[in-house]
Amino acid sequence: KQEVTQIPAALSVPEGENLVLNCSFTDSAIYNLQWFRQDPGKGLTSLLLIQSSQREQTSGRLNASLDKSSGRSTLYIAASQPGDSATYLCAPQRGKAAGNKLTFGGGTRVLVKP
Amino acid sequence: IAGITQAPTSQILAAGRRMTLRCTQDMRHNAMYWYRQDLGLGLRLIHYSNTAGTTGKGEVPDGYSVSRANTDDFPLTLASAVPSQTSVYFCASSDSHFSGANVLTFGAGSRLTVL
Repeated sequence: KQEVTQIPAALSVPEGENLVLNCSFTDSAIYNLQWFRQDPGKGLTSLLLIQSSQREQTSGRLNASLDKSSGRSTLYIAASQPGDSATYLCAPQRGKAAGNKLTFGGGTRVLVKP
Repeated sequence: IAGITQAPTSQILAAGRRMTLRCTQDMRHNAMYWYRQDLGLGLRLIHYSNTAGTTGKGEVPDGYSVSRANTDDFPLTLASAVPSQTSVYFCASSDSHFSGANVLTFGAGSRLTVL
């Protein structure tokens, strides 16, 4: 059974600082890994998807790396802004044999102070 | 605006009552999912559907049932609600369950309290 851990559980930084969010998973036989953002009382919004064959994926100030063999992914957010305050979740996806299911981590709650 | 609509937004329900959470998507996605989100337990998959007419069990299916009569709708039914089903329920969809690159789109959630 895939288990996903996100460290730290919560993070508070001043505006402008870079954010580093960690995700580890126990089963490295994944198809891809997604990072999501969740605002309080809202649904999840997909930020980045990294295919298992990729090492990293970038979108604007966001960069996600993937080390499948060691079961780790890291989300970097450059030059953080108060609007980046949210909970960030990672979700590795298993392959066809496992029904392509995503398993979510518990999330990292981020607060960026002005 | 294309996306997923969930209803109701919030509901308080007496234990033992039957409840159906509605989910409708207008993106013609073939795969749909129901998750529950609980503090300390994260998001857990309840049921999913790869395509209209098929459904499958997720991680925590007991006490829940789903149907997928058409592409757009994926209702979740609690036949006899219990307090442990108090949670926030999210419906999601993706455009291909088998591609290995299915970016999920989520609804805004339905907050259910069972007393």
